[in-house]
Amino acid sequence: EAEVAQSPRYKITEKSQAVAFWCDPISGHATLYWYRQILGQGPELLVQFQDESVVDDSQLPKDRFSAERLKGVDSTLKIQPAELGDSAMYLCASRLGADSYNEQFFGPGTRLTVL
Amino acid sequence: AQSVTQLDSHVSVSEGTPVLLRCNYSSSYSPSLFWYVQHPNKGLQLLLKYTSAATLVKGINGFEAEFKKSETSFHLTKPSAHMSDAAEYFCVVSDRRSGGYNKLIFGAGTRLAVHP
Repeated sequence: EAEVAQSPRYKITEKSQAVAFWCDPISGHATLYWYRQILGQGPELLVQFQDESVVDDSQLPKDRFSAERLKGVDSTLKIQPAELGDSAMYLCASRLGADSYNEQFFGPGTRLTVL
Repeated sequence: AQSVTQLDSHVSVSEGTPVLLRCNYSSSYSPSLFWYVQHPNKGLQLLLKYTSAATLVKGINGFEAEFKKSETSFHLTKPSAHMSDAAEYFCVVSDRRSGGYNKLIFGAGTRLAVHP
């Protein structure tokens, strides 16, 4: 069964360092999402791609976060510099199309700890 | 703006007894609603979804949910809990935006514990 792949699964870094997360969506899925899930809360959308284009990055802290999906397939989320408050689970999801009837499939996430 | 409120942060049941996880939503139009489950160290998995068809929605693993517009509720139920149901459950509403680029809005989650 096709799955969304994410790496690394765990990342520990010190504040002010740069970190990067990678996501490989299910093949053929045009829509890709990055979410942040703080412990004890539900996921919150950071950025949404349709193919290689960003369609929503309104909740992305653009002074330190960046995301790209250059060829419309896999994606990278970067934080530079990391802050203590960035400690969270970062989830990637993909969907076949943008229609709400299409299910979003989630990867296992990257758990980030900033010391 | 759309939002969801999960009324219980923790629910504890005995194996074999019914499960009820409560969710209220706020939406200015007929929403799409979902329940997702998150097991430790695993990705979120869709349990079921409501998209304006039948108000009683059946999902995987024996779960079902009923959409009640008059009460703005979408509670998740299961007749008999199993130990493997222990997980975090999220009620989700789809925020309909222009261009069809809908956005999922998650509740804070309900942690279900099942004891023998």
